[in-house]
Amino acid sequence: QQQVKQSPQSLIVQKGGISIINCAYENTAFDYFPWYQQFPGKGPALLIAIRPDVSEKKEGRFTISFNKSAKQFSLHIMDSQPGDSATYFCAAQWGNTGKLIFGQGTTLQVKP
Amino acid sequence: KAGVTQTPRYLIKTRGQQVTLSCSPISGHRSVSWYQQTPGQGLQFLFEYFSETQRNKGNFPGRFSGRQFSNSRSEMNVSTLELGDSALYLCASSLGRGGSSYNEQFFGPGTRLTVL
Repeated sequence: QQQVKQSPQSLIVQKGGISIINCAYENTAFDYFPWYQQFPGKGPALLIAIRPDVSEKKEGRFTISFNKSAKQFSLHIMDSQPGDSATYFCAAQWGNTGKLIFGQGTTLQVKP
Repeated sequence: KAGVTQTPRYLIKTRGQQVTLSCSPISGHRSVSWYQQTPGQGLQFLFEYFSETQRNKGNFPGRFSGRQFSNSRSEMNVSTLELGDSALYLCASSLGRGGSSYNEQFFGPGTRLTVL
């Protein structure tokens, strides 16, 4: 019930293309869904986050789509660039727990 | 504003030893969470401290413990180290309470622990 399932495990996209990463959850108590980007040797960096009362949130080239009824959310990276090559993690949290439940991560490679 | 800092960045220990890791949160943040990252298990929550009190705990054995000081700095301790404790240990800070962004967690660079 506390799991967050992320797919695909790895993704290769051409420069300028759209990268899409999907996550699914079971626990309907989750009320905060962030995405993190991690480069080798670095800690995860918060990219964008959404709450379940919103179906979409966009920040620059990054968009979260949220489907509450399906218990799914996804990250879209528009106009993907080689500098976007990194590992991306979705996560979920409920209330004021300070406890993020992470997906297994997606390694994105953007080819020039 | 300075980010989350963690010390040391790298540690090598042997089985049976103990280790203490340190985390300084972003100024004004009162919550510190600790995570373990391994290739096999991914990112797993260890515990969270808020105002010097452990507010939440993950599913790790009692060998893993922590504390938080009045200035919100936090330490994590692992006793009787095992080979499987080799991992990247990350801490993240957040406001912890109040406002619309109270639970945005910002991570430090991590401490890479190797147990031989």
